[in-house]
Amino acid sequence: GENVEQHPSTLSVQEGDSAVIKCTYSDSASNYFPWYKQELGKGPQLIIDIRSNVGEKKDQRIAVTLNKTAKHFSLHITETQPEDSAVYFCASDTGRRALTFGSGTRLQVQP
Amino acid sequence: SAVISQKPSRDICQRGTSLTIQCQVDSQVTMMFWYRQQPGQSLTLIATANQGSEATYESGFVIDKFPISRPNLTFSTLTVSNMSPEDSSIYLCSDTQGASETQYFGPGTRLLVL
Repeated sequence: GENVEQHPSTLSVQEGDSAVIKCTYSDSASNYFPWYKQELGKGPQLIIDIRSNVGEKKDQRIAVTLNKTAKHFSLHITETQPEDSAVYFCASDTGRRALTFGSGTRLQVQP
Repeated sequence: SAVISQKPSRDICQRGTSLTIQCQVDSQVTMMFWYRQQPGQSLTLIATANQGSEATYESGFVIDKFPISRPNLTFSTLTVSNMSPEDSSIYLCSDTQGASETQYFGPGTRLLVL
């Protein structure tokens, strides 16, 4: 089955700096790659996603890049703010509509 | 996106008992899923809740332990049966709509088994 690896497990940045989280996947049939943000006591919130026919997608301060050849995708957050502090999960979908998640990255933005 | 609610939001249960978690969506959705998130861990898919038929379970999860119902397009239940402390987790339901792969999650049910 699909395996998704996520790095780093924790990331601490200063407010205003950029943060990058990386994921690799194993199944070449994977074609959909969402990113979720989970705040304490809440369910995961979709923040951005990308499909296999696109190499990059941006939404304000958040961007995701996908390299299908290397089977990796990354989340980029620019101009980080304290409210960006949360746990971030990457995931992949092989078309079954059932997601395989990475292990999560705890991002802390220091004011 | 559809608004997803779950009941209860949290519960503390005794080992050996069962708990049924409800998931309600405010519009008709195509697919519904149940995930488990163990303390400090990532999300693991338990099963796909199929409308009007038996759920499709992932490896490591069985119907006797996690019976699931989906009587219509907007509602599903997950029962955690014969609970042990190892079942202490957050249980999350999610959905997709139409042909979209985009999956939205409910707020979760936080279960502690003593």
